[in-house]
Formats: sequence, structure tokens, C-alpha cells
Amino acid sequence: GAGVSQTPSNKVTEKGKYVELRCDPISGHTALYWYRQSLGQGPEFLIYFQGTGAADDSGLPNDRFFAVRPEGSVSTLKIQRTERGDSAVYLCASSPGTGVRGDTQYFGPGTRLTVL
Amino acid sequence: EDQVTQSPEALRLQEGESSSLNCSYTVSGLRGLFWYRQDPGKGPEFLFTLYSAGEEKEKERLKATLTKKESFLHITAPKPEDSATYLCAVQGKAMDSNYQLIWGAGTKLIIKP
Repeated sequence: GAGVSQTPSNKVTEKGKYVELRCDPISGHTALYWYRQSLGQGPEFLIYFQGTGAADDSGLPNDRFFAVRPEGSVSTLKIQRTERGDSAVYLCASSPGTGVRGDTQYFGPGTRLTVL
Repeated sequence: EDQVTQSPEALRLQEGESSSLNCSYTVSGLRGLFWYRQDPGKGPEFLFTLYSAGEEKEKERLKATLTKKESFLHITAPKPEDSATYLCAVQGKAMDSNYQLIWGAGTKLIIKP
């Protein structure tokens, strides 16, 4: 009955470094989403997986950002050559899978990324 | 263009003072409207999903309602632990993005004892 988990909870890195953020979705959920949230704003969509494939990566800001979900469960968001503007809270959510009615997304606690 | 606007941006209430938060939306066919609660430093916590105009859902001191243009989150006799930011999001029926949530900026609710 565990919810969505994310690791690490906090990540501090230096400009130019590479980081990986991990998301473990609710068991059995086929859909997985990554969002980015800045202070005082709603979450900003980054990428959506249905199973193992990235169904929509249109929200990724540039080619420094990449995400994978090789076995259709755990996902990793990868950021290369980090910039100070990448500092934000990165949220992961999962849902049972799209259907006729709106599919409720359940969120993890987030990873706070700080780029110095 | 799909859009969500929440008001007010912030709301301060005394404990026990009931009020309502507003979420106005425009979307090309509504698949669902979602309310979440977010505490500082945490991810959004799911509260309600509403699918069609006229629908209502309740949970403890919270009640969510939906019309064709807006949703209200009514808070009855709130307690200090209800203090949080309340986020509203909609999901539309556009074929190429019917899974995406369009978010409002949230209402920061503060309940004073």
C-alpha cells in the first residue's frame, strides 16, 4: 500500500554537474509523470510515460533533460550540465492508466534540487 | 487554450470561520477536475476528482462542487491543521494531451487559532 516514493529528497550540486532523480510509482500503475515546481506555482509538466515508453516528452525544457523507465516501473530523470535555473522541486506522479474518465494522479514527496 | 485560474491567491481565516476557494477553468471538453492539498516541502496530496457539472464530493470539513465553468472548495469550520496551499487542476479531452493536467497557481489558506 505504499505511495509514490522519490529519492533523494534533497540534492545539492554544482553548476555543470550531472544528476539523477529516482521515482518509484505505486505498484500496478502504468502511467508515470514528471513535473517541476517553482515556489508559488503549480506543477509544470515535463514528461509522461505509459508503460516503458515516453508517450509525451514535450515538456522537457531542452536536451539536457532525459528520463527513462526501462521496466515500466521505476523511472529516472537525468539532468546533464546542470544550470542554476534548474533549481526547483521535481515531482513524480503515477496513475492507474488513462481511461474514459479523468485518471487521478498520485504524487510523491518530491526532490528538491539546488544547483549552486 | 486550456486555462485554470484560482482565487483568492491567499486567504486568512479564524478557526471556525467557513469560506470557499474558487477555481475557474476553460478546457476543450472536461475529463476531470482535481483538487489537491500541498503542505510546505511536500508533494500535492489528492483530495477530490469531479467529472461532470452538478457533482459534489465531501471529505471531513471539505466539500467540492463543480459547474461548467468553475469549481468551489468549501471549507466548513476550519481548523489550524487545514492550513495549506490548495491546488486545482483540469484534464481535457484533446486527443493529443488528454492525460495532461492544467494547473492553477493555488490558494494559500491560513487558519489562525
